[in-house]
Amino acid sequence: EPEVTQTPSHQVTQMGQEVILRCVPISNHLYFYWYRQILGQKVEFLVSFYNNEISEKSEIFDDQFSVERPDGSNFTLKIRSTKLEDSAMYFCASSRGGDTDTQYFGPGTRLTVL
Amino acid sequence: GQSLEQPSEVTAVEGAIVQINCTYQTSGFYGLSWYQQHDGGAPTFLSYNALDGLEETGRFSSFLSRSDSYGYLLLQELQMKDSASYFCAVTGGYNKLIFGAGTRLAVHP
Repeated sequence: EPEVTQTPSHQVTQMGQEVILRCVPISNHLYFYWYRQILGQKVEFLVSFYNNEISEKSEIFDDQFSVERPDGSNFTLKIRSTKLEDSAMYFCASSRGGDTDTQYFGPGTRLTVL
Repeated sequence: GQSLEQPSEVTAVEGAIVQINCTYQTSGFYGLSWYQQHDGGAPTFLSYNALDGLEETGRFSSFLSRSDSYGYLLLQELQMKDSASYFCAVTGGYNKLIFGAGTRLAVHP
């Protein structure tokens, strides 16, 4: 069964450094998402992406964040200058359609900012 | 604002039936989803309701009442492996899921 994959599984970085989290969505899906989950809290929406552009972003997704689909398979989340409060689990998700279609989540990348 | 309310914890014994309720208040609504998450794991899709009524998938069923802004997840014949957190999530438009805080289910022998 096709699944969303993410790399790395765990990333440790120093405050102020740039990180890039990578995702390979399910191959026939057209909508891509990033969510984050701070330890012990709920999953929070960051951004949705369709047709090579952002379709919606949350207030969390400020100028320090960017997303890109550099080729036909990868979907990346970049945090330009990490802060301690960026430490969280970051989940990529994809769906075939938009609002009426199921989103499937990847295993996540645990980001630790020191 | 947008909010989803669900109980923080539920405890049950193996073989029992448990119902996890979710009430929502969102500016848009396309459907209500349920996800399971084991500690350290990813949210795994369980079910989706766009219309009123009951959807059944094996041991799990989900119900939606749009007029009451209410839904529930019903888990039958509980097994130890069902111990996890369960999240309701609303698709509220603009291609995003809005999650509840999650219900931690503990299944005991």
